Order: sequence, then C-alpha cells, then structure tokens
Amino acid sequence: AQSVAQPEDQVNVAEGNPLTVKCTYSVSGNPYLFWYVQYPNRGLQFLLKYITGDNLVKGSYGFEAEFNKSQTSFHLKKPSALVSDSALYFCAVRDFGRSGTYKYIFGTGTRLKVLA
Amino acid sequence: SQTIHQWPATLVQPVGSPLSLECTVEGTSNPNLYWYRQAAGRGLQLLFYSVGIGQISSEVPQNLSASRPQDRQFILSSKKLLLSDSGFYLCAQNRDRRTGELFFGEGSRLTVL
Repeated sequence: AQSVAQPEDQVNVAEGNPLTVKCTYSVSGNPYLFWYVQYPNRGLQFLLKYITGDNLVKGSYGFEAEFNKSQTSFHLKKPSALVSDSALYFCAVRDFGRSGTYKYIFGTGTRLKVLA
Repeated sequence: SQTIHQWPATLVQPVGSPLSLECTVEGTSNPNLYWYRQAAGRGLQLLFYSVGIGQISSEVPQNLSASRPQDRQFILSSKKLLLSDSGFYLCAQNRDRRTGELFFGEGSRLTVL
C-alpha cells in the first residue's frame, strides 16, 4: 500500500522567510502526490499535485513543491511566507482501491505558524 | 465548478443515538465520493468511498455505515453512536478518475456526549 509521512508536527517560520514543509512517500510504481491546506474548522483546499513531468510543481497562493525520486520526497515550499499562510498542511498519495478506482491516503499533517 | 454540500455543519448527539450525515455534490456526474474523519484537528482517516449508486467500499471496520442512494448523494450513518465517533467528518469528490485531485466539503463536526 502507498503511504506518505510528514515528519514534523509543527513548523515555525518568520514572515518573509522561505518555508518548507516536508513529506516523504512510499509507493510502488509512479507516485501521484498532492498537497492540501486546511484552515480552522474548514474543509481541505487543494494546493498542487505531481503526476508526471517537471519535478518542480507550481500551485496556488505562491506555493510550489519539489518531487525528488531518489529521496522519495515531495516537500512543499514558498519563497516568502505570509502570516496568512498559517494553517494545517497535508500531503497525500493516491493508492489503488477496490471497484477499479482510487483512494487517497493522507499524512498526519504539519501545522505551519508564520510569525510576524 | 464543483460544489459539495455537507449537512448538518454541527451536531451534538448523546451516546447511543443514531446518526445521519449528508453529502450532496453539484456540477458533476458519476463522481467518486469519499468520507473521511478527522480527529482532534489532525490526520484524516478514510472511512468509505463509492464509485456509483449502491457501491460502497469500507476501509475501517467500525460503528459507521455509508450509503449512496443517488448519484450525487452520499450518506454516513450510525445506529448507535459511541464517544469515539466524535470528530470532524469530511466529504470529498473526485471528478477526474485518472489523475484528479479531491475536492472537499466544509465538513460536519460531530460531538458525542
């Protein structure tokens, strides 16, 4: 089965500094990887995905992620953090499900705090 | 655009009472639908998913069940709630079955007392 791991429960960064939220994956075959953000008491919002192609994927709100096959990582990055980026971030991977479809497995989440 | 409605948004129920959470989607046909539970504001646990009417796959044996009576309706139920059923329940859909991401509803927060 496919899985993802988010090794950090929380990441603190100063406003204006670059941020990185880490994700590693364990998959058989080519991975389909995703990043989501969740604000308090809200549903998850899609940020970006890696299916194939360029290892650097650009997404919403200035976020990007770098796919690294040799390190089995898919870290989320942003060049300059904003206080409004403070939220809970999830990495996810697509896995094979029953009935000929797919299911999506999420990491445990990383809480990002951007300090003014 | 894809829209997902979840109802009710908040629910407080006593232990042993029944549960019904509803999810309806708009703007798409024949979507894959998913129920996730999030406990204590952290990780998401996949509960059920469905590829079509009457087709339900269960991920974790538990006190809950799911049904899909219509193409765009996905219902999460329980006959008797437990304290451990408390959590934030999220419905999601995937319109593009090949490569697409999930779109989530705004969630239903269940507190069992």
